[in-house]
Amino acid sequence: SQQGEEDPQALSIQEGENATMNCSYKTSINNLQWYRQNSGRGLVHLILIRSNEREKHSGRLRVTLDTSKKSSSLLITASRAADTASYFCATRGPGGSEKLVFGKGMKLTVNP
Amino acid sequence: DAGVIQSPRHEVTEMGQEVTLRCKPISGHDYLFWYRQTMMRGLELLIYFNNNVPIDDSGMPEDRFSAKMPNASFSTLKIQPSEPRDSAVYFCASSSYRLAGGSYEQYFGPGTRLTVT
Repeated sequence: SQQGEEDPQALSIQEGENATMNCSYKTSINNLQWYRQNSGRGLVHLILIRSNEREKHSGRLRVTLDTSKKSSSLLITASRAADTASYFCATRGPGGSEKLVFGKGMKLTVNP
Repeated sequence: DAGVIQSPRHEVTEMGQEVTLRCKPISGHDYLFWYRQTMMRGLELLIYFNNNVPIDDSGMPEDRFSAKMPNASFSTLKIQPSEPRDSAVYFCASSSYRLAGGSYEQYFGPGTRLTVT
């Protein structure tokens, strides 16, 4: 079963605008990761945030984590047409398992 | 490094036939994962290995599915017999906590698109 649920399921914006994607999950986690998938390709890791972190930045990406609300958000600033892709959150549970549970993904379209 | 390599990229087969998907993980990675992606069910973990040993196969849908990892550089996912509902994109991914500097990120292959008619 899916752990993370991305919201919204689809988002269409203009180049230069910011895009915010949200992820909610159900059980306690060790870390939460965001991945991107371009059409017809495999997933690519974007950023990881640990359960004891609240915010992390990587280039134009900013991710926040609120463990009390069991939610995370991914912000892409100054979006580009090349950011058009599906975005997934994935959670790793506590304990020693390497298992990641992925959400169903969110389709972002950035119009030039 | 060439990344995770999967073959074939596309497979079309008839119901009842055996299908074998192949994966070569990134050299030095000690975890290997098999996923299946469909529109209806999203991305599902089928099985994962650590140091060539299957750790969790709870996602394998039925006995028709089997996976092996005979050595650190090769894994197969076999479906026998195949059915139309097995049509999906199958991804292989690998990871290494140690080589990733303490990160748990997974590196995905390009996937195999399987169509069973």
